[in-house]
Amino acid sequence: DAGVTQSPTHLIKTRGQQVTLRCSPKSGHDTVSWYQQALGQGPQFIFQYYEEEERQRGNFPDRFSGHQFPNYSSELNVNALLLGDSALYLCASSLTSYEQYFGPGTRLTVT
Amino acid sequence: QQQVKQSPQSLIVQKGGIPIINCAYENTAFDYFPWYQQFPGKGPALLIAIRPDVSEKKEGRFTISFNKSAKQFSLHIMDSQPGDSATYFCASSAKDGSWGKLQFGAGTQVVVTP
Repeated sequence: DAGVTQSPTHLIKTRGQQVTLRCSPKSGHDTVSWYQQALGQGPQFIFQYYEEEERQRGNFPDRFSGHQFPNYSSELNVNALLLGDSALYLCASSLTSYEQYFGPGTRLTVT
Repeated sequence: QQQVKQSPQSLIVQKGGIPIINCAYENTAFDYFPWYQQFPGKGPALLIAIRPDVSEKKEGRFTISFNKSAKQFSLHIMDSQPGDSATYFCASSAKDGSWGKLQFGAGTQVVVTP
């Protein structure tokens, strides 16, 4: 049974560019949440998708947007990248609202 | 506003010792308290979780103790092994209105020496 997968593993972008990160949830899961984890900190909630709609959002600017597809996979888009956006971006999937399983993350470096 | 406060920031124990990590929360609406283990370069892995209707839960060598009145919960790692060396995060979420949005502590780096 495949767990949560994310692509790419690593990414280097220049300030001002745009980036798209991808996530495939664990088999049978229908909810995808995205988190940002800065170095040495705990993950911070960005937003959650359920039934192809953003169900709730954390304290992140509109530069952060997402999408969920009919097969429950999801994308995270970040526009106008800032140096401070450098972080590990984690995708978590769940079937209920509680047990969330994380993928390996995408390490984004903005130069 | 940090809703989950975790301590200590780091700790070192010898093999066989019992590292204890503590977390305190403020939001009384929280009703789910998981612990995650994270190795360098990996995503967090769900270790064990507890609901407020029980005071203790054990899974293998990992035990959660929960004190609802004090709004605190802790993780004990029994008979710790060098392979348990990792960063541990506590988290909390509320059932109503937040759809399982996890609020994480800042993490505790645990080192188990041989």
